[in-house]
Order: sequence, then C-alpha cells, then structure tokens
Amino acid sequence: DVKVTQSSRYLVKRTGEKVFLECVQDMDHENMFWYRQDPGLGLRLIYFSYDVKMKEKGDIPEGYSVSREKKERFSLILESASTNQTSMYLCASSSGSRGRYEQYFGPGTRLTVT
Amino acid sequence: AQSVTQPDIHITVSEGASLELRCNYSYGATPYLFWYVQSPGQGLQLLLKYFSGDTLVQGIKGFEAEFKRSQSSFNLRKPSVHWSDAAEYFCAVAAYSGGGADGLTFGKGTHLIIQP
Repeated sequence: DVKVTQSSRYLVKRTGEKVFLECVQDMDHENMFWYRQDPGLGLRLIYFSYDVKMKEKGDIPEGYSVSREKKERFSLILESASTNQTSMYLCASSSGSRGRYEQYFGPGTRLTVT
Repeated sequence: AQSVTQPDIHITVSEGASLELRCNYSYGATPYLFWYVQSPGQGLQLLLKYFSGDTLVQGIKGFEAEFKRSQSSFNLRKPSVHWSDAAEYFCAVAAYSGGGADGLTFGKGTHLIIQP
C-alpha cells in the first residue's frame, strides 16, 4: 500500500515563528502536493512538485514556500507564521503525468498559530 | 481555470436509503474527475475516478458515479447507505498544464449524515 506520512498530527506555534511541515512518501512517486483544508472552503492547493528540486505554485502560495531535495520528501515552510495560517495541512503524492493518476493523501497536520 | 461546485453542504439520509451527491465542474477540455471521502479524523480516500470511456464508473464501498458531459456533472450515488458512510465527500477535477501533473481542484465538500 502507498503510504504518505506527515511529521506531526498536531502542531501549535506562535505568530512569527518559522514552521516546517514534513511529508514523506514510500512509493517512489514523482509528484507531491501540499493542500490546506478549511471548513466551508474544501481543500486548496498551495504548492506542488513534479520532480526533485522542481516546484510550482498552486492557488494560494502566498506566505508559504516548499523544498524538495529528495524524491520521497516534500516540505512546506511557513516563513513567519500568522494566525490566518491556522488550518489542516494535507500532503499528497501521485505517479505519472497529466493529472490522471490518483493522489494518495497523508493523515494531515492540524496547525494552530497563536 | 477549472472549478468544482458541490451545491449541497449537508445531506441527511436514513440508513438503507439511496444517496446521490451532486457535483458540477467547469473545465474547457475533457476533465479527469474524482470523488474522495474523508471520515472524521482521517485523510482522504479515493472512492472512484473518471478519465475516459464508460460514463458510469464503479468505485469502492458500493459507490458509483456518472459523468454527464452535457450537464458538466459527475454525481455520486449509492443504492443503500450504511451508518459507516457518514463522512465528508469531496468532488475534484484535475487539469494538465503541460509541465507535469497538476494538483486537484476540489469542491467545498458535502457533509453526509446518516439517520438510524
């Protein structure tokens, strides 16, 4: 089975802190994604990557950056956390191209910024 | 840009009754369509997907969905729901921009409540 793991299930950080959310997949997938999920808004794409060291902005990249130094690992970085970044963050991975392949999701990290 | 609309925020269904969750999409080309389910405290699990071919697709847990191009719809159905089907359901569309796999565009979700 494909497994996508996220470093923390729950995280509490203070405003202004630099925050790292880590995601690891074990299926040698080329593509990895970061979404945030908010009640009433569904999931929104923050960043994605289709190769090591490659990254593409999604729909809401402001306030975030990403890093992909190894194929299996995709990190989401909040340079200076703010309260409006309190949310559930979901990582996903998929193989192949053209968007037709299933994305596999991790369990999520619930981040609270105080 | 593509978009997905799930017009029902909440739906309540009696156990054993049939279910239909609505999904409408906006996308210029042939879409790749997905339904995901999220149980409380869990990640998203794929129920089914449509890429091409037969417009009626079968998924896991007894779910099916029908792609109707003329209506830009991809509604999810189940003939008889179980209490364990209570969850959040998301419809999603994928687009291809030429640079590789794109992310999914999700609807806002439909919260399914099962009455005993």
